[in-house]
Amino acid sequence: KNEVEQSPQNLTAQEGEFITINCSYSVGISALHWLQQHPGGGIVSLFMLSSGKKKHGRLIATINIQEKHSSLHITASHPRDSAVYICAVRSEETSGSRLTFGEGTQLTVNP
Amino acid sequence: EAQVTQNPRYLITVTGKKLTVTCSQNMNHEYMSWYRQDPGLGLRQIYYSMNVEVTDKGDVPEGYKVSRKEKRNFPLILESPSPNQTSLYFCASSSLGGSNQPQHFGDGTRLSIL
Repeated sequence: KNEVEQSPQNLTAQEGEFITINCSYSVGISALHWLQQHPGGGIVSLFMLSSGKKKHGRLIATINIQEKHSSLHITASHPRDSAVYICAVRSEETSGSRLTFGEGTQLTVNP
Repeated sequence: EAQVTQNPRYLITVTGKKLTVTCSQNMNHEYMSWYRQDPGLGLRQIYYSMNVEVTDKGDVPEGYKVSRKEKRNFPLILESPSPNQTSLYFCASSSLGGSNQPQHFGDGTRLSIL
């Protein structure tokens, strides 16, 4: 079992829909990152969370430390949101600053 | 403009021919890291550096070397590349706190080892 599991692997939505992408992890963590990878390959950091909730525009990220679970929500989705969304965690159990990544969720938003 | 610059963006080479992928950042970040991305495996960390002359292994360091002689540069060295190192490589940097800070990524380097 991977340390970081994302679901779903693939998600297709219609423009305007509310989208949720989930990330579950199996170890204690000190931080969780959400990243967006554009179709051209570039990666952008969306959020870094250690507790609670963060919001940026139409994107909301939440984390529940007790349940070892995080969600990324997109409100009023748009075709330009089509990308791969990646969850990454820094484990408390590893030394230094190593990050472990989920395999990503491919999101396609159709007009 | 704040950025992480990787070079080259694309490279096709042959087994055993030493190569270096350069990474440079202009944000005065202490933390820099290299990742590789492979289909079905996602992103995996190769090496990281917390500051000048401080480097450490990630999850998949075999076959790679790094150095951090200057704060802005963190080159990835493949001394004797092999086909299983064909991959998409990303360099990233962040301020103090390493993986507890948002990371800035380069545009990626696509390496093909024949």
